[in-house]
Amino acid sequence: SQTIHQWPATLVQPVGSPLSLECTVEGTSNPNLYWYRQAAGRGLQLLFYSVGIGQISSEVPQNLSASRPQDRQFILSSKKLLLSDSGFYLCGLNAAGDGYTFGSGTRLTVV
Amino acid sequence: GESVGLHLPTLSVQEGDNSIINCAYSNSASDYFIWYKQESGKGPQFIIDIRSNMDKRQGQRVTVLLNKTVKHLSLQIAATQPGDSAVYFCAENTGGFKTIFGAGTRLFVKA
Repeated sequence: SQTIHQWPATLVQPVGSPLSLECTVEGTSNPNLYWYRQAAGRGLQLLFYSVGIGQISSEVPQNLSASRPQDRQFILSSKKLLLSDSGFYLCGLNAAGDGYTFGSGTRLTVV
Repeated sequence: GESVGLHLPTLSVQEGDNSIINCAYSNSASDYFIWYKQESGKGPQFIIDIRSNMDKRQGQRVTVLLNKTVKHLSLQIAATQPGDSAVYFCAENTGGFKTIFGAGTRLFVKA
């Protein structure tokens, strides 16, 4: 079965510091991978998606970037965090065109 | 633009009663719909899905109804239990790489 590993679970970072969130998947090959952000009490906002190694599509202009160095690895990064980057970040996997499998999420607080 | 919205932001039901969570969508080209359950501090979990060639699909204690005429989707939970307390999201997909998520409905189950 497909599984997603996402870490860390929580992160507190100062404004202006860099960010790296990692997501790895198991049990599937060549999945579509996604990064979503969820503000408190809100829905999911798609940030990036990737259909293959090195292929990244950005949905909204922002202070973040994504990379997919390996088929089962998806990384969300920032060079300098802003207060507005705080939120709950979710990595998602869609391997068969059906529903998503989500990771457990990372709660990022920028202070 | 397309949007997936929910009729009620919160729903409170008595334990043992049936719950109905509603969702409206505006993209008539959407052909795949999913319901997710998100417990506090966790990533969303797939509950049930339905394709546009169906109007009803049943799972364990859950039923999804699709009314394409009025672009309406609902999730019915039978014999609601305290463990059903969570935020429920509907999502739509038009066959591409992206899924549009609704804002979510918070379900409270009263003992």
